Amino acid sequence: DGGITQSPKYLFRKEGQNVTLSCEQNLNHDAMYWYRQDPGQGLRLIYYSQIVNDFQKGDIAEGYSVSREKKESFPLTVTSAQKNPTAFYLCASSAAGDGYTFGSGTRLTVV
Amino acid sequence: ELKVEQNPLFLSMQEGKNYTIYCNYSTTSDRLYWYRQDPGKSLESLFVLLSNGAVKQEGRLMASLDTKARLSTLHITAAVHDLSATYFCAGRGGGSNYKLTFGKGTLLTVNP
Repeated sequence: DGGITQSPKYLFRKEGQNVTLSCEQNLNHDAMYWYRQDPGQGLRLIYYSQIVNDFQKGDIAEGYSVSREKKESFPLTVTSAQKNPTAFYLCASSAAGDGYTFGSGTRLTVV
Repeated sequence: ELKVEQNPLFLSMQEGKNYTIYCNYSTTSDRLYWYRQDPGKSLESLFVLLSNGAVKQEGRLMASLDTKARLSTLHITAAVHDLSATYFCAGRGGGSNYKLTFGKGTLLTVNP
């Protein structure tokens, strides 16, 4: 079955620590996205990539970094510069902007 | 830059009643999406609306798009408890820009 897989489902980060969230898709989609969701804020775009080895900042990129070395993979690193990282993170992919598919999400908590 | 506004943000309704969620967007959006989200879960795609006057229906939900008014609506008919969830609309900027811009969501609670 084609789909998009996020891992881990739950992640705990200590102060000052970098953590990486995984996002893998086997849908052969060119474009991939990372969104952050906070209660009452809807989904806000962190980074997106429309092609391998290229990505653009979204609306709230500060404190985050990404890479797109393979078409299937778009990992998100939450760096220590992100002061309020506790949130629900959703990865998505699309083919030429049609039919967006969302992963099941990663809940990140600072401890 | 596309901006999307939903209202209401909170909606409590009784079973059997009808209601409408509104989604306004600021600039041209070449398609409009509606999603459902249950607590702690991912987004479930409900509708994609591509052109002015588009109307789509699935069960008790019906979505429409008026591109001239930059308005989409999600109408709920004879609500049932199972429809309780958060509903999001999202617009796409158009051209080669595929990113979606979301509204803040409408938390719908259907009471017996």
